[in-house]
Amino acid sequence: QLVESGGGLVQPGGSLRLSCAASGFTFSNYWMHWVRQPPGKGLVWVSLISSDGTTTSYADSVKGRFTISRDNAKNTLYLQMNSLRAEDTAMYYCARDLAGLGDVWGPGTTVIVSS
Amino acid sequence: DVVMTQSPLSLPVTLGQPASISCRSSRSLVNSDGDSYLHWLQQRPGQSPRRLIYRVSNRDSGVPDRFSGSGSGTDFTLKISRVEAEDVGVYYCIQGTYWPQTFGQGTKVEIK
Repeated sequence: QLVESGGGLVQPGGSLRLSCAASGFTFSNYWMHWVRQPPGKGLVWVSLISSDGTTTSYADSVKGRFTISRDNAKNTLYLQMNSLRAEDTAMYYCARDLAGLGDVWGPGTTVIVSS
Repeated sequence: DVVMTQSPLSLPVTLGQPASISCRSSRSLVNSDGDSYLHWLQQRPGQSPRRLIYRVSNRDSGVPDRFSGSGSGTDFTLKISRVEAEDVGVYYCIQGTYWPQTFGQGTKVEIK
């Protein structure tokens, strides 16, 4: 399973680090993704990372501000979010990639960017 | 970026009747290996998304066989053979052939 944490209320321009703890499978074998969902809206892909952490990709809307990483020894995925904006307000999900994004999802963690 | 367009965006259905959702991509989703990374997700109210179909037509484990996916190139379809009450929710297609990966807008399925 996957369990996200680290969300909360942050002021514009602030930072947060999200974590996604994996259990029940060999975390180091899988590519992983972050996906977000603004309130009342659809799903938006944010970022991915390869199983060994050497390959990453970002949506244009977060490029240069967000950094995805992982610690395979700790079975944990991270999303460092800097220079946060109101439009980053969303539920953030981590998802596993098996033959494509999303065979396993976490329950999500809420990020609210507001003054 | 590849644009994914779903239709309809709202789909009222009668219990026990079939339902169909279309997803079109702005470019062919066939990659150099001949695979198409087009997947379908279901999001029930208040829940996390759940993947139903991967790579066009493969059902994920535990997904009822009333769900099926088909299509090729730029046109894809998710079909529910007989809608049940638990199928209410929003359905999304997502393409993973190109980066950034992109979702459709979502189709809301509700019971008439």
